[in-house]
Amino acid sequence: DAKTTQPPSMDCAEGRAANLPCNHSTISGNEYVYWYRQIHSQGPQYIIHGLKNNETNEMASLIITEDRKSSTLILPHATLRDTAVYYCIVSDVQGAQKLVFGQGTRLTINP
Amino acid sequence: GAGVSQSPRYKVAKRGQDVALRCDPISGHVSLFWYQQALGQGPEFLTYFQNEAQLDKSGLPSDRFFAERPEGSVSTLKIQRTQQEDSAVYLCASSPGLRDSYEQYFGPGTRLTVT
Repeated sequence: DAKTTQPPSMDCAEGRAANLPCNHSTISGNEYVYWYRQIHSQGPQYIIHGLKNNETNEMASLIITEDRKSSTLILPHATLRDTAVYYCIVSDVQGAQKLVFGQGTRLTINP
Repeated sequence: GAGVSQSPRYKVAKRGQDVALRCDPISGHVSLFWYQQALGQGPEFLTYFQNEAQLDKSGLPSDRFFAERPEGSVSTLKIQRTQQEDSAVYLCASSPGLRDSYEQYFGPGTRLTVT
C-alpha cells in the first residue's frame, strides 16, 4: 500500500472550513483514497473515499489532484465535535482490505 | 441498527495472564478485522477474517496472539502470557465484504492494560 504524509496537527476556528492535506505521491492507478477520523476514546469512523474524481457527502468533500499525488479533505463548516485525529489512507480494494493507518492529523476546532 | 460492539471495554491483566477479547460485528457482515492501537499511534492491522476463514494474520505480533471466528460472526482475540508491551487498545471492525462496500465499521475498542 502507498504511504501517505499528513501534517501532525492543525487548528481551525469553529464555523470556518477546515482543509486537511494529504500527500500520496506513490499512489498507484487502482488505489483509492480514504479518509477516516477518530474522536477521542472512540473507534475510527469512515468519512469519505475517492479514486479520481472529487467527491462530496453529508460529512465532507474530497478534492483529489489530477495527478492523484495529493488530496484535501474539506469540512465546510467545522464544529467543536469535529475535533479528532484524521487519517488519510490509500488502499487498492474496497472495504474488504486491511487499512494501513499513519499518524494522522490532529485537528482542533477552537471556539 | 446496532453497530460493532466489543467486550470488555477495559481489561487489566497481570503480566503472564491470558486474556480474551470479544467482538460482535454488525449482523451479516462477512469481513472482520482486528487492529491494535498503541498510545498516541494510529491503529495497526492484526488479522482479517472472511466469514470463518482467517485469510490474513500477517499482523499478529507473536505466536502468543490468536484469533478465531468459528461460526463466521462473533470473533475472539486471545493473548496468552500477556506482556507489558501488549498494553494497547484493540479495535475490531467489520465490513459487508461486498465488491461495492467501501466502509469499515469500527467498534469502540477494548483498552488492555498489562501490569
